Amino acid sequence: SQQGEEDPQALSIQEGENATMNCSYKTSINNLQWYRQNSGRGLVHLILIRSNEREKHSGRLRVTLDTSKKSSSLLITASRAADTASYFCATDESNYQLIWGAGTKLIIKP
Amino acid sequence: EAGVVQSPRYKIIEKKQPVAFWCNPISGHNTLYWYRQNLGQGPELLIRYENEEAVDDSQLPKDRFSAERLKGVDSTLKIQPAELGDSAVYLCASSRTGDDGYTFGSGTRLTVV
Repeated sequence: SQQGEEDPQALSIQEGENATMNCSYKTSINNLQWYRQNSGRGLVHLILIRSNEREKHSGRLRVTLDTSKKSSSLLITASRAADTASYFCATDESNYQLIWGAGTKLIIKP
Repeated sequence: EAGVVQSPRYKIIEKKQPVAFWCNPISGHNTLYWYRQNLGQGPELLIRYENEEAVDDSQLPKDRFSAERLKGVDSTLKIQPAELGDSAVYLCASSRTGDDGYTFGSGTRLTVV
């Protein structure tokens, strides 16, 4: 079963622009995590934000969490060609099982 | 740190044949996960281990899938017999605790023909 739903399903922007992806979920969570997956590769953990946190930064990444709306956003600033990948959100419920969305496919055009 | 190591990287087998995947997690990571990922979808959990104990195997198709994690370190996932619908990428991940980010291996891409 998939709890997280990413939006949009696909996003194509010019290099240098900012990219914003959203994730909505359905139940209470301990934390929400964002992962990146390059084509044909494994997933890479980007950021973990806990339910009592509202915003977190890591380099060019900014993640927000709104537990009242059960939603999160991932912002990538000053995008680069190397950011081209699929981005997944995953929610951690009380039993430490991650529930995954179907991902957002991000394409950065040079 | 070597990361999570999986092998083989690719496997092509005929239906009804057996297949096995191997995973060596990061040293010290007690929790190990096997996921299956179909094209264009997110990963789906097959089984989760805490040390050598399978604590969640509710999504593992037990008629044909089996897994083991002897000694609580590396793990093997087996399919016997394989079906066409088993074609997917099988991902192994580990984490230090259950409340922590996961480290994934590169996966095994299985094609059943």
